[in-house]
Amino acid sequence: NAGVTQTPKFRVLKTGQSMTLLCAQDMNHEYMYWYRQDPGMGLRLIHYSVGEGTTAKGEVPDGYNVSRLKKQNFLLGLESAAPSQTSVYFCASSYGARGDYGYTFGSGTRLTVV
Amino acid sequence: SQQGEEDPQALSIQEGENATMNCSYKTSINNLQWYRQNSGRGLVHLILIRSNEREKHSGRLRVTLDTSKKSSSLLITASRAADTASYFCATDYSGSARQLTFGSGTQLTVLP
Repeated sequence: NAGVTQTPKFRVLKTGQSMTLLCAQDMNHEYMYWYRQDPGMGLRLIHYSVGEGTTAKGEVPDGYNVSRLKKQNFLLGLESAAPSQTSVYFCASSYGARGDYGYTFGSGTRLTVV
Repeated sequence: SQQGEEDPQALSIQEGENATMNCSYKTSINNLQWYRQNSGRGLVHLILIRSNEREKHSGRLRVTLDTSKKSSSLLITASRAADTASYFCATDYSGSARQLTFGSGTQLTVLP
C-alpha cells in the first residue's frame, strides 16, 4: 500500500504565481486534511474534507482553496502565492471522524515562495 | 490556537535511558493521540488514548492521561538512537468538527 502520496515534494514559486498540491490516498478513507507546518508552531489545519464533494475551512484557510472531486484525491490550491505561504505542507487521511482513528500522513511538500 | 502544548521543547538523553514528554491541553477532549516525526518526513501515528482511559501501552511506549489536570505523558523506555525524532500530541477536543489539533512538539535526541 502506498498510503498517502503527495506531489510535488519540493517547489519554488515566485510571489503571485499559482500552483496546486495533489494528495492521493489508496486506503478508502473518508476524511482528508491539509496542514501546514512552520518552525516552532506545530501543524495548523488549512482545510479538510469529510467525504467526496465536501470541503470545510480549518484554522488558517486564507489564501488557499481545496477540492475533493474524487474520494481518493484532495487538492490544495494557491491562487496567488505569498512569501508567508512558505512552509511544509502535509496531507493526511483518516478512516473515521472526530479523531477516533489515527491519521495517516504523506511525506510533505516543501514550498518556498520568493 | 493550538490545543496541546508539549513540554519540554527539546530533550537529549543517552541510549538506554527513558524519555518522558508531557502534553497539556486546555479544554475537554474526546481522545488524545501521539505522533512521531523523523526529520524531513511525515508524522507517524503512535498511540491513541481515549478520555475514559488512564494508561495505555504499546511496545516500549506508555501513555498516561489525566483529564483532571488536562495533561498526558508519553514515556519511551530503553530508548534507542532510532527514537531520535520530534514527538507531537494531538487532541480531539469535545465540540470540534472532526479534526485533530497538534501541539508544537518535543524534539528528542537519543545519543549513542
